[in-house]
Amino acid sequence: TQLLEQSPQFLSIQEGENLTVYCNSSSVFSSLQWYRQEPGEGPVLLVTVVTGGEVKKLKRLTFQFGDARKDSSLHITAAQPGDTGLYLCAGAGGGADGLTFGKGTHLIIQP
Amino acid sequence: GAGVSQSPSNKVTEKGKDVELRCDPISGHTALYWYRQSLGQGLEFLIYFQGNSAPDKSGLPSDRFSAERTGGSVSTLTIQRTQQEDSAVYLCASSLALILGGAGGLDMTKNIQYFGAGTRLSVL
Repeated sequence: TQLLEQSPQFLSIQEGENLTVYCNSSSVFSSLQWYRQEPGEGPVLLVTVVTGGEVKKLKRLTFQFGDARKDSSLHITAAQPGDTGLYLCAGAGGGADGLTFGKGTHLIIQP
Repeated sequence: GAGVSQSPSNKVTEKGKDVELRCDPISGHTALYWYRQSLGQGLEFLIYFQGNSAPDKSGLPSDRFSAERTGGSVSTLTIQRTQQEDSAVYLCASSLALILGGAGGLDMTKNIQYFGAGTRLSVL
């Protein structure tokens, strides 16, 4: 069974601070996706990382895929209240259908 | 429609009753997926459809769960004799196409999924 561990599960910080969310597994994935989910809504895809060591930037968000394609991180610079939400990582590949999701990181940015 | 539409948005039922959850995918999307999101758990993949066909039903939690898709569009997820542990948010997603990977499974890198808002099921 492929498992993705996300940490921290909960994070509450002040506006303007930086933070990093981690997604780790003992399994190798062909790609990792990061989603953001707001209450009462479905997850929305932020980014897909495919190549080991790949770094992608989306404004203040930086996503990195580990060299061994087993882990990923999401770094947010100068967090804003609008960044508040549930951040989910999901792994693809290994012959399994669908995506394997982590349990998510609940992020609250306080003004 | 503009996005994936799910109905009802909320469903409260009594233990032992049957429920039917509906998903309207984005127009033109051939692939459709069902997930379950339980409190404190990640999204659990249940089943996918390519057109009206579901090649693998092994992700469904029990034989009380069934899903079908007709006309390559609307899909329904049916839960018979509901139990309290079935309480969760059931999410549907669709993608434009269904692309298989080299290992035979879905190539989720290319199958960009768009999610609906989900149906929150509460079994009392």
